[in-house]
Amino acid sequence: QVQLQESGPGLVKPSQTLSLTCTVSNGSITSGHYYWSWIRQPPGEGLEWIGYISYSGGTYYNPSLKSRVLISVDMSKNQFSLKLSSVTAADTAVYYCARVEILTGHKPVYYFDYWGQGTLITVSS
Amino acid sequence: QSALTQPASVSGSPGQSITISCTGTSSDVGGYNYVSWYQQHPGKAPKLMIYDVNKRPSGVSNRFSGSKSGNTASLTISGLQAEDEACYYCTSYTSTSTFRFGGGTKLTVL
Repeated sequence: QVQLQESGPGLVKPSQTLSLTCTVSNGSITSGHYYWSWIRQPPGEGLEWIGYISYSGGTYYNPSLKSRVLISVDMSKNQFSLKLSSVTAADTAVYYCARVEILTGHKPVYYFDYWGQGTLITVSS
Repeated sequence: QSALTQPASVSGSPGQSITISCTGTSSDVGGYNYVSWYQQHPGKAPKLMIYDVNKRPSGVSNRFSGSKSGNTASLTISGLQAEDEACYYCTSYTSTSTFRFGGGTKLTVL
């Protein structure tokens, strides 16, 4: 079974860049059947999609975060990463990485089938 | 990018059925059959319950079902059980190749 695990510092100072990595186990990040996504959830609030990347490096981002977000992939390590710049307290959240299934056989599908456990990132001085 | 519209809360007694709605636009919910639903218990990661509007992943109870009419998708849970108490989120793929989540619905089993 595929497993995803987020890693990164739990505390980031305002105006700095938040950096997180998601390590994928028991599955290859190079499969053309999947995208790899980041989603966050502020304390007590709902889920917010941040963006996704394909194994070939193509990216799509939430328009509200696009100017501050960069998602990249490292196929050699079976990892993908998130960078969010110029953070403020509003970026405090649990950050999840997730796999997006985009093809079942030859049929397009788009849903998040596997999720990491999530990591709390606090923005504070 | 605003959230899809879900009721903030719903409730039902054990054994009853409830339905949670998820309203979007013709650019997302109404335009594609790529609506999925997730269950989230406190402190846990979301779990996929329904995809492609009405398909259940292996291992998900057949008490969970999905449907769509126009720009509104719905999740129905029949035979409510205490373990169903959780927050439920819808999401849809969009015409701009992005995803929109709903604001979430807290289900209380009375």
